[in-house]
This record gives sequence, C-alpha cells and structure tokens, in this order.
Amino acid sequence: DGGITQSPKYLFRKEGQNVTLSCEQNLNHDAMYWYRQDPGQGLRLIYYSQIVNDFQKGDIAEGYSVSREKKESFPLTVTSAQKNPTAFYLCASSRGTGANSYEQYFGPGTRLTVT
Amino acid sequence: GNSVTQMEGPVTLSEEAFLTINCTYTATGYPSLFWYVQYPGEGLQLLLKATKADDKGSNKGFEATYRKETTSFHLEKGSVQVSDSAVYFCALTNDMRFGAGTRLTVKP
Repeated sequence: DGGITQSPKYLFRKEGQNVTLSCEQNLNHDAMYWYRQDPGQGLRLIYYSQIVNDFQKGDIAEGYSVSREKKESFPLTVTSAQKNPTAFYLCASSRGTGANSYEQYFGPGTRLTVT
Repeated sequence: GNSVTQMEGPVTLSEEAFLTINCTYTATGYPSLFWYVQYPGEGLQLLLKATKADDKGSNKGFEATYRKETTSFHLEKGSVQVSDSAVYFCALTNDMRFGAGTRLTVKP
C-alpha cells in the first residue's frame, strides 16, 4: 500500500534531549512537509522540502532541524533549543509545491511529550 | 501574504442537520482550495478540492464552491451523521496554509 508512515506514534523524552521523528513515504512524491499541531489549534509549518538535498524553513523553524538525503525520507529533529516541544507532529507529502492542485497526503502523526 | 480564515468552533449539531463551515482566504494569484478532515488521533485526509473559480468540489455528501468574487470556499452538507464528527480544515495548499480547524460534533 502506498502512503506515509511516521514512527513512533507516541514518544516521550526528558527536557534537554534532542529527539528525531521519522517520516517515510512510498508515493514517489517530490515534496515533503512537517507541521506542528497543538491542542485545539491548526497546523503550523515547520519545514518543507521540494526536492532531495533541499529544504526551507516554515513559520516556526526555530529549535527544529531536518534533512532530506533520500526522496522517501524526511526526518525531523526536535532540539533542546525548542522551548515548547510537546505537541502532535504531522508529516505530509505531495507531488510538488507551488502548483495549483497538489493535495497533501498526511501520515498518522507522532505525539511527542517532553517532561 | 496568503492566509485562510476559518469559522471558529466548536460546532455541535443533531444528526440530519444542515452543516455550513465558513472559510475565506486572502491570496495572490489563483490558488487551489482544499478541505481536509481529521479524525481523533489521526492525520489529515483530503475531503475535497477545487482548482479554479466556480469549481465545486464534492465528496461523501460534502460540497464546497470556489467563489473568487467573495474569496470563499464554504463547506456544506445537507444531512450530517454521527460519523462526520471530526475536525475540518480549510487550506490553500499552494502556500501550505491551513485554517485553524473547526471541530464538529454530531449528536444522535
């Protein structure tokens, strides 16, 4: 089945530790995205990548880092510099960006809790 | 810049009631417009889309019409079911902008 997988579904970390969230897609999509969702809130864009080895900051990139070494994979690292890391993180992909009709396909999300 | 403004929730309806969730946008150019749905604890799924003015997107009894003159893309359904309970997001995907989401609860 084609789709996006995120692992793990739940993740717990101590304050001060970096943590990496996994995102893999087998849809052969060029573009991938990371969003953060807080309770009762909409989605805020952290980073996106239009092509392998390239990525751009979104609206709330501070305290996060990404890499895009393979088309299928777009891991997100939440660093200790992120002041409020506890949130629900969603990864998505699409055929491209900026074009008019490319809908995004979402993974099931990772709920990160930092104490 | 581009933005999406969505009707605030939560919205609570009885089964078989009519649903409208308002969405307006600000954008340069001619964006495509989308509605996504999120069930509890899951990621978002595309519900419907429209790519140009006057297009009507539809799926599972939901409809939305791209109104360029009013910059709107309101979501409607004639008769909601309990299974429609979810959070609904309006989006301008060419700019990766999502509305704040509207939580819908349908009671039997």
